[in-house]
Amino acid sequence: EIVLTQSPGTLSLSPGERATLSCRASQSVTSYLAWYQQKPGQAPRLLIYGASSRATGIPDRFSGSGSGTDFSLTISRLEPEDFAVYYCQQYGSSPKTFGQGTKLEIK
Amino acid sequence: EVQLVQSGAEVKKPGESLKISCKGSGYSFSSYWIGWVRQMPGKGLEWMGIIYPDDSETRNSPSFQGQVTISADKSISTAYLQWSSLKASDTAMYYCARPAYGDKQFDYWGQGTLVTVSS
Repeated sequence: EIVLTQSPGTLSLSPGERATLSCRASQSVTSYLAWYQQKPGQAPRLLIYGASSRATGIPDRFSGSGSGTDFSLTISRLEPEDFAVYYCQQYGSSPKTFGQGTKLEIK
Repeated sequence: EVQLVQSGAEVKKPGESLKISCKGSGYSFSSYWIGWVRQMPGKGLEWMGIIYPDDSETRNSPSFQGQVTISADKSISTAYLQWSSLKASDTAMYYCARPAYGDKQFDYWGQGTLVTVSS
């Protein structure tokens, strides 16, 4: 089973700042990596798939990069609605594991 | 529009059985994988398994193998997650979700079903 480790656990930033979240895989997942956003009381929402492709309707301030074992999600300029928990998921091999999440909170 | 509508919240006692559902609409249900994700209170997401409704091929996480059963009835466009004997540790929110294609990332999500197991 591939283990995904996300860092940091919590990121405290202000609106307008840039956020960079990291996801590291225990073995290569090539580009089979997705990012999700989850707000309290809501189902997760797909942001990025294929490591760098934005899902339908996702603003271009969200971008993903990386391949192999090291990936990142960048939010170029934080909006108030971006403060949430973010999860990465690998779907290169079964079981298609999730990272433990990064909480992005308002500083 | 793709929609996944899950059954309502459940409160059960330890040892009881339970089957929750996820009804798909707006697409050809048989032709797309549909999976289940667990989220325990205050915790992260856990991939449980996935099923292809057309032939019921199932891929289960070893962490959940033998603990739950994933099934689907393509005649009524519904996927199921079933327990034969619930434990308190099964208390969680359960989401069904569907990839846009193949067995890949989850593009579409149900609203979640909260299962509470308590004596």
